[in-house]
Amino acid sequence: GENVEQHPSTLSVQEGDSAVIKCTYSDSASNYFPWYKQELGKGPQLIIDIRSNVGEKKDQRIAVTLNKTAKHFSLHITETQPEDSAVYFCAAKGNTPLVFGKGTRLSVIA
Amino acid sequence: KAGVTQTPRYLIKTRGQQVTLSCSPISGHRSVSWYQQTPGQGLQFLFEYFSETQRNKGNFPGRFSGRQFSNSRSEMNVSTLELGDSALYLCASSLQAEETQYFGPGTRLLVL
Repeated sequence: GENVEQHPSTLSVQEGDSAVIKCTYSDSASNYFPWYKQELGKGPQLIIDIRSNVGEKKDQRIAVTLNKTAKHFSLHITETQPEDSAVYFCAAKGNTPLVFGKGTRLSVIA
Repeated sequence: KAGVTQTPRYLIKTRGQQVTLSCSPISGHRSVSWYQQTPGQGLQFLFEYFSETQRNKGNFPGRFSGRQFSNSRSEMNVSTLELGDSALYLCASSLQAEETQYFGPGTRLLVL
């Protein structure tokens, strides 16, 4: 089955700096890769997703890149703000239900 | 449009009891998935329902069961609760079975 590895598990950045979170997946049949942000006491919130026919997608300060050959995808957050502090999860889906990475706790220091 | 709602939000049970959790999907969404979230195991898939039929089931014991009603609302049941069942149970809905999933706030279950 699918296995998703996510790094780093924790990340601290200064406000205004960029943050990058990386994930790798094992199943070459996976074709959908969403990213979720989870704040304390809340459910995961979809922030961006990408499908395998696209290499990069951007939405304001957030971008996701996908390298199908290497089976890895990354989340890039630019100009980080304190409200970006949360746990971020990557996930992959192909012929199986969504499989999630273990999460990255991002702290943005003002 | 209202988001996914889950009830109750918090629950305390004792070992051996059973529990039923409820999920109301976003209006118009026909697919509901359930996940268990724990600090050690992360987010793990429980099951997925579409049009009242279970499409997929995760690697959980038979004590975990679910169902979906004709209005797309879903319930999950855990019988003979164990301490290890303490977790945040999340429900996610999507328009169709293969579409983007939107999560509810979860039900936090504590088993004593």
